[in-house]
Amino acid sequence: KAGVTQTPRYLIKTRGQQVTLSCSPISGHRSVSWYQQTPGQGLQFLFEYFSETQRNKGNFPGRFSGRQFSNSRSEMNVSTLELGDSALYLCASSFFSGEETQYFGPGTRLLVL
Amino acid sequence: GENVEQHPSTLSVQEGDSAVIKCTYSDSASNYFPWYKQELGKRPQLIIDIRSNVGEKKDQRIAVTLNKTAKHFSLHITETQPEDSAVYFCAASGESGGSNYKLTFGKGTLLTVNP
Repeated sequence: KAGVTQTPRYLIKTRGQQVTLSCSPISGHRSVSWYQQTPGQGLQFLFEYFSETQRNKGNFPGRFSGRQFSNSRSEMNVSTLELGDSALYLCASSFFSGEETQYFGPGTRLLVL
Repeated sequence: GENVEQHPSTLSVQEGDSAVIKCTYSDSASNYFPWYKQELGKRPQLIIDIRSNVGEKKDQRIAVTLNKTAKHFSLHITETQPEDSAVYFCAASGESGGSNYKLTFGKGTLLTVNP
């Protein structure tokens, strides 16, 4: 089976812009979780989608949003970008929602200037 | 919510030695504890996981132990090799309300295996 894929792999944006990141889960997986990884804060949970519904949300401002499509692909959007949004954004997929094994994608490296 | 503490933050060992990384968690309702290895520039890869109905799990040179009473779990790597050098993350799956669960990660341990 193909692994989790994410596009784009790298992005450079300026403050105030918005960005959309995409994640395609492993075939058959219906849950997609998103994480922000930074050197200072480590891996922080953003949100989880399962069967097109947001099941869970972390402690991030409303500028961070997401959605999931009927084929389980997911997108996350960050509006009004700030310098502090520079990070590696990782998505992970699992078969079901809950205490399931999660498999990570390669991430999207976002740099905000 | 769940809080996961991981120690040490850096660990340097000689090839062939053992390495131990320890994590504590706060939510007694957590039942799932995975460990991930992340090499530089790569995605986190699951290396082993354990559920609360098991006290120890082993996979070749890697083992994980869980003490639910004390709320801590540890990763043990024996006969370390240079290719074991990476950042290791522990995580705990805790309930975040309404029967929803989320993974909370430790800050990571940079393991360096010196040849």
